[in-house]
Amino acid sequence: DIVVTQTPISLSVTPGQPASISCKSTQSLLNSDGKTYLYWYLQKPGQSPQLLIYEVSSRFSGVPDRFSGSGSETDFTLKISRVEAEDVGIYYCMQGIYLPYTFGQGTKLEIK
Amino acid sequence: QVRLVESGGGVVQPGRSLRLSCAASGFTFSSHGMHWVRQAPGKGLEWVAIIWNDGTNKYYADSVQGRFTISRDNSKNTLYLELNSLRPEDTAIYYCAKDRYRTSRYFDYWGQGTLVTVSS
Repeated sequence: DIVVTQTPISLSVTPGQPASISCKSTQSLLNSDGKTYLYWYLQKPGQSPQLLIYEVSSRFSGVPDRFSGSGSETDFTLKISRVEAEDVGIYYCMQGIYLPYTFGQGTKLEIK
Repeated sequence: QVRLVESGGGVVQPGRSLRLSCAASGFTFSSHGMHWVRQAPGKGLEWVAIIWNDGTNKYYADSVQGRFTISRDNSKNTLYLELNSLRPEDTAIYYCAKDRYRTSRYFDYWGQGTLVTVSS
C-alpha cells in the first residue's frame, strides 16, 4: 500500500497569517493519463470531511481561493494564504491512484 | 444538492453482524461509484470499500476483506455495507461517500456518518 505522510501534525496560526501543510507519498501519484491523484480534505470539528482540492491543485466548488495546492510525483503542499477562524479543523491528504486509497495521518489547524 | 444519509449503526457484540445503509439524493446515483470510509474514535480516516456505478466491481481494504460486503440498489438510490464477524477494532464512524466518476477516483461528497460500536 502507498504510505502518505503529512507534516506537521499540528499547526497554530494567527488569523491573517499563512499556513502550509506538506504531504509525501511513498510512490509517484502521477498516472499514465497525465493526472496526479492527490487530494486534500478538511474535517471541521464535529463534521464529516469535505473536499478542498482535487488532482493536486484544482479547488473544489465553493472552496475559497485562499486555499491552493501544489506539488508533483511524491511531494505536495497545501497552502492557506490568510488563515481565517473558519479554517480550523483537521486537514488530510489522500492518494487516489491505487486502491486501497490511503490518507495522511492528518494535520490539526488551530487559531492562536 | 447532493445529500447522503447513513443509518443502521449501533452497539453490537463481537462476532455479530450489522447492515448499514446510505440513502442518496440530489444526483444521478446510478452514474457514480460509491465508497465507505471509516474513522475510529479520535483517529484518522480509513478507506473501506468501493462499488462501481453499476455494481460490477467491488474492492475492499485488507482489514475488512471477507467480512464486509458492499452493495447497492440503483432503483432505490441506496448504498449498503454488510458487516459480519465484527471485531472491537471495527468500532468507528462509517461514512458513505460519492465518487466523482462512474468507477473509482475520489470522493467529492460525504454523508454525516453512522457510529458502529463493537463491544460485549
